[in-house]
Amino acid sequence: DVKVTQSSRYLVKRTGEKVFLECVQDMDHENMFWYRQDPGLGLRLIYFSYDVKMKEKGDIPEGYSVSREKKERFSLILESASTNQTSMYLCASSLWAVETQYFGPGTRLLVL
Amino acid sequence: GENVEQHPSTLSVQEGDSAVIKCTYSDSASNYFPWYKQELGKGPQLIIDIRSNVGEKKDQRIAVTLNKTAKHFSLHITETQPEDSAVYFCAASKGALDNQGGKLIFGQGTELSVKP
Repeated sequence: DVKVTQSSRYLVKRTGEKVFLECVQDMDHENMFWYRQDPGLGLRLIYFSYDVKMKEKGDIPEGYSVSREKKERFSLILESASTNQTSMYLCASSLWAVETQYFGPGTRLLVL
Repeated sequence: GENVEQHPSTLSVQEGDSAVIKCTYSDSASNYFPWYKQELGKGPQLIIDIRSNVGEKKDQRIAVTLNKTAKHFSLHITETQPEDSAVYFCAASKGALDNQGGKLIFGQGTELSVKP
C-alpha cells in the first residue's frame, strides 16, 4: 500500500528558529514535492525534486530550502521561521513526472 | 504561467442530489486535469483525472468533463452521500516535469457539504 509519512502532525516554533519538516515515501518514487496549503489559496508548490540531490523551485520558494540525500526522503527547511510561514505543509510523491501524486497527512506549523 | 480558477468555494447539497464543481485554466497547452479529494485531517487523494484527448470520463458516481475550447473542466458527483463531504481540488498540468512545465497547478478548493 502506498504510503507517504511526515515527521510531525503539529509543530509550534518561534520566529527566527530553524525548522525541519521531514517526508518519507516507501514507494520508490522518483518525484517528491512540498506544498503549502492556505485557505482560499489552494495548494501552492514550494519545491520539488525529480531525483536524488536534484531540486527545482516551485511557485513560492522564498524563505525555504530543501534537501534530498536519499530517494525516499525529502526535507523542507525553514532557515529562519517567520509568522507568515504559519500554514499546513503537504508532502507528495509520484512515480512519473505528471501522474498520480500521493500525499502525506500534512504538518500544521504555527510560528509564534 | 498557468492559472486555475475553481468555483464555488463552498457547496452545500442534500443527500441524493448532484454536485458540480467547475474549474477554468489559462494555459491552452495544459493536457492533464486531475481532481483530488481531501477529507478532514488527511492529505488530498486522487479521485479521477482526465487527459486532453478525451472529453468525458466516468467512474461510478463521479464524472469529469473537459471543454478544451473554453478551457474549463468540471467534476460531477451524482447521488451524493454524507461521506462525499470533503474539500475538492482541481488541478492542471502541461505534461513532462521539465523546467517546471509539468507541475500541477491547483485550484483554490471547494468545500462540499452533503446534508443527510
